[in-house]
Amino acid sequence: EAGVAQSPRYKIIEKRQSVAFWCNPISGHATLYWYQQILGQGPKLLIQFQNNGVVDDSQLPKDRFSAERLKGVDSTLKIQPAKLEDSAVYLCASSFPPRGKSYNEQFFGPGTRLTVL
Amino acid sequence: GQNIDQPTEMTATEGAIVQINCTYQTSGFNGLFWYQQHAGEAPTFLSYNVLDGLEEKGRFSSFLSRSKGYSYLLLKELQMKDSASYLCAVSPGGLNSGYALNFGKGTSLLVTP
Repeated sequence: EAGVAQSPRYKIIEKRQSVAFWCNPISGHATLYWYQQILGQGPKLLIQFQNNGVVDDSQLPKDRFSAERLKGVDSTLKIQPAKLEDSAVYLCASSFPPRGKSYNEQFFGPGTRLTVL
Repeated sequence: GQNIDQPTEMTATEGAIVQINCTYQTSGFNGLFWYQQHAGEAPTFLSYNVLDGLEEKGRFSSFLSRSKGYSYLLLKELQMKDSASYLCAVSPGGLNSGYALNFGKGTSLLVTP
């Protein structure tokens, strides 16, 4: 089974520029998450999709961040304009409602490391 | 809100046992997860506890006390490859919250020869 795919793996931009990240979840996974992980910290949820609908975007800085999952499969996360404090690893994860398990395991992609200069 | 605390760093010797503690304060609780994250890699699932007690899986065990808001991850027979960050995460709610996770800052474990 293929894992969660993300691209690009690395991105360096200057502040005030725009950047977009792409994620393709595990086939059949209805739920998709975007997390931001700043160096030395744990991942912080930015947005969660269930199919193509948003479940939770309460921690997404909507003045500069946007995300979409138009067809309920792959997703893009955009930052416009970027700030220095956006330097982080952006992790995408996906999950399927538990089947035969009592918990919902999230599977993470390798992440995109963003550096804003 | 959510508050999840775990030590920042720990060091242990190859072959030894190490216990990584996690305390949490949450407005809702639907289980506690432990993830392992090697440097530059994605987090990978280790364990899940929703009821009090110990869950054992090979060299790794995880314990939960809901009344105390406390969990620990126990790693036995440490190997060099166990050097990684260990993330404690709480799922605050069920279906309506979509099972999103709130993570602690992670404990960086260094295993020395």
